[in-house]
Amino acid sequence: DAMVIQNPRYQVTQFGKPVTLSCSQTLNHNVMYWYQQKSSQAPKLLFHYYDKDFNNEADTPDNFQSRRPNTSFCFLDIRSPGLGDAAMYLCATSRGDRINQPQHFGDGTRLSIL
Amino acid sequence: AQSVSQHNHHVILSEAASLELGCNYSYGGTVNLFWYVQYPGQHLQLLLKYFSGDPLVKGIKGFEAEFIKSKFSFNLRKPSVQWSDTAEYFCAVTRGTGANNLFFGTGTRLTVIP
Repeated sequence: DAMVIQNPRYQVTQFGKPVTLSCSQTLNHNVMYWYQQKSSQAPKLLFHYYDKDFNNEADTPDNFQSRRPNTSFCFLDIRSPGLGDAAMYLCATSRGDRINQPQHFGDGTRLSIL
Repeated sequence: AQSVSQHNHHVILSEAASLELGCNYSYGGTVNLFWYVQYPGQHLQLLLKYFSGDPLVKGIKGFEAEFIKSKFSFNLRKPSVQWSDTAEYFCAVTRGTGANNLFFGTGTRLTVIP
């Protein structure tokens, strides 16, 4: 089945040690999103790609970067994770960025910081 | 600040009880409204959406929601819940007619007791 796949489901890293989270999709959607969801909080959009165009939310910390080498893959890089970056990270895709194009979500990667 | 509010953090119901989950938003102008569901261990899935037209929207699995513009509300309802409805429910909003950036509420956990 076509889907959005996030690897790994659980990721543990050390304080300050760079970490990369992965998202792939078989839907051939041109928009990919990264959300951060901290415990008991709403998912919050970090950034999204429309094709190769990167769109950063204004309040996304500089510590967070993203790469999209091709249509199918998108990576979230956290350069120097702090304890406050422990969260669930959700990847989503949509066919376009218009409101009538629903977003399809992956299962998420839960990131823990030691 | 602009936000999406879900006032019920955890709702516990017996099977066959009626359900209503509240959602209020504080954005002015055109909004588009969504309810997503996350079953245990699964990804976020779209339940229903409202863009325009009939303010009473029917979704999957017997759910419906009513957009009341004057109250800035989009409450989710189901006449008779089942044990399989146990999940986390998220209300979300996009603003305007262009962007597809979802702003989520903090979610309501529904537990249905057999």
